[in-house]
This record gives sequence, structure tokens and C-alpha cells, in this order.
Amino acid sequence: DTGVSQDPRHKITKRGQNVTFRCDPISEHNRLYWYRQTLGQGPEFLTYFQNEAQLEKSRLLSDRFSAERPKGSFSTLEIQRTEQGDSAMYLCASGTGDWDGYTFGSGTRLTVV
Amino acid sequence: QQQVKQSPQSLIVQKGGISIINCAYENTAFDYFPWYQQFPGKGPALLIAIRPDVSEKKEGRFTISFNKSAKQFSLHIMDSQPGDSATYFCAARFLGADGLTFGKGTHLIIQP
Repeated sequence: DTGVSQDPRHKITKRGQNVTFRCDPISEHNRLYWYRQTLGQGPEFLTYFQNEAQLEKSRLLSDRFSAERPKGSFSTLEIQRTEQGDSAMYLCASGTGDWDGYTFGSGTRLTVV
Repeated sequence: QQQVKQSPQSLIVQKGGISIINCAYENTAFDYFPWYQQFPGKGPALLIAIRPDVSEKKEGRFTISFNKSAKQFSLHIMDSQPGDSATYFCAARFLGADGLTFGKGTHLIIQP
């Protein structure tokens, strides 16, 4: 088990382009979370899945943001029509519902130019 | 609206000293309070966590003190080491919810 894996580690995109990030959770974890972290701030909760069901998405930042977890394993986070304000670290975490087992990946750093 | 306020923003401690980071919250519906450690280029890693029915929890050199009436909790790092130099975040979870609300972080430097 290599922990929570995120791909890519870094992404530079032009304003207006769409980007998609992938997260592979720890295999036995049924819960998967997405957070955004801007410079000098703590992570900000965006959404989470239990298996393939998205149970909370009201915290997604705008309708340009969407997430999927089609088979209850890996997840993708898509940002459409990127803006400079979307530049941040996007973190994925997985867990079992036992809070002491909530594990973060190393994140995808997005830069919008 | 920031629901978890963390202080100080940065902290310098001599090796072997005690590092103390504080957090305050407003909403009494929080039911779980973890502390995370983050190194540059890495995701946050859980250090220690506490529930509001406990006033103190210790794991190795790390202790959480929890004051429910004051709605405050703190992290104490005993015998601080240069390897403890990192950014520390307090967080809280609403009862019945699943996402965590994080503080803004404390950049800790342990001087050798």
C-alpha cells in the first residue's frame, strides 16, 4: 500500500482551459475527500464520496467544479474554464469513517496563467 | 467566516523547548478536534486528535489540551526537535458532517 496517490503533481494551464486531476485512495478506504489549499491557508473542504455516492457537494466553489468517483475506487476533480483564482493545491484524502484513519495525498499544485 | 482561529501565525522555539499552538472555535456543534502536521510539498498528516468529552490527550511528545467551556484547544510539543519544524493546523468537524474545518496554520521553526 503506497498511500493516497494524486496525479499530476503539478499542472500549469492557461486561463479558460479545463483541467482534471486524479486521486487513487488507499485500497480499503471507502471514503474519499477533496480539499483545496491556497498559499498560507489551511485546507478547505470541497466534497466527499462514500463509495461511488457523492454525499456532500454544496461546498464546491462554483458550478465550474465537479467531481466523480464512478466505480467507488479512484476519483477525478474537474475544473472547467479555469481562472487565475483557481491556482492552489488540490488535496485528496481517504478514510474509513474512523477519523484516525483519514490520510491525505501530496496534492496537485495547479497554476493558472 | 473563519470558524477555527489559530495562533500564533509563526513560532520559533529553541531545541528542547516546549512549542505551544492555540486554537479557538465558535460553534459548539463541533465534535472532533484533530491536529495535522504538514511539511513543504506534502499533504497534511494527522498528529493527534481529541473529542470534547476528554480534557487532555497525550501521545509521545505531543499533547492536546481541551477546554470545552472556553471553546479552546491547544497543541503542546515537548522537547521540541529540529525535525518538528513544519506547519501545524488545528481542525474541527461538525457533528454529523464529514469535512474538516481547518485553522490557518502555524509555521513552527525549531532552532538547533
